[in-house]
Amino acid sequence: AQTVTQSQPEMSVQEAETVTLSCTYDTSESDYYLFWYKQPPSRQMILVIRQEAYKQQNATENRFSVNFQKAAKSFSLKISDSQLGDAAMYFCAYRSGPIYNFNKFYFGSGTKLNVKP
Amino acid sequence: NAGVTQTPKFRILKIGQSMTLQCTQDMNHNYMYWYRQDPGMGLKLIYYSVGAGITDKGEVPNGYNVSRSTTEDFPLRLELAAPSQTSVYFCASSYYPGNTEAFFGQGTRLTVV
Repeated sequence: AQTVTQSQPEMSVQEAETVTLSCTYDTSESDYYLFWYKQPPSRQMILVIRQEAYKQQNATENRFSVNFQKAAKSFSLKISDSQLGDAAMYFCAYRSGPIYNFNKFYFGSGTKLNVKP
Repeated sequence: NAGVTQTPKFRILKIGQSMTLQCTQDMNHNYMYWYRQDPGMGLKLIYYSVGAGITDKGEVPNGYNVSRSTTEDFPLRLELAAPSQTSVYFCASSYYPGNTEAFFGQGTRLTVV
């Protein structure tokens, strides 16, 4: 089974500053997808960003971007111009690609992000 | 769009009681999942289903049962509730093949006392 590791249980950032959340994963597969989910206090899991392993270009979604290092099996999330509404738990997730016929999602333990006004 | 709907949102059970967590999705997704979320532990897969009539165990299936009689519904049954089953439970669905993410319900906070 694949494993996903988030080594930062909690982080803090000043409003308007930039913060990077780390994620590493362990896999022998060559084709897979990586995701970052946000979980605010409402508990709802919200997709932040997605990266396909076959794409070399890092994904971006407005203030959110990733640094995908396939050889290092690293997938960090950068949040620019942090806002109070960014305060939440963030989960990194892994899913095998279609060639493996295996559609499970594996999640890291999460990073709690605090945003200071 | 309703997406994934879970009921109830909160529940308190006494040790030894049983209950069913309901989950339904309206996106015609073939895959459905049940996860539990314990503090500091991320999400652990309990059971999943690849389509109506097909289910399989995940990482932590003991104490739970599932069924999938239709594409839309994937209920989770807790038999003989134990304090170790106190957790937040999430139902999710996704479409396969494809690069789509998992879509989640709002979760059920279950306390066993």
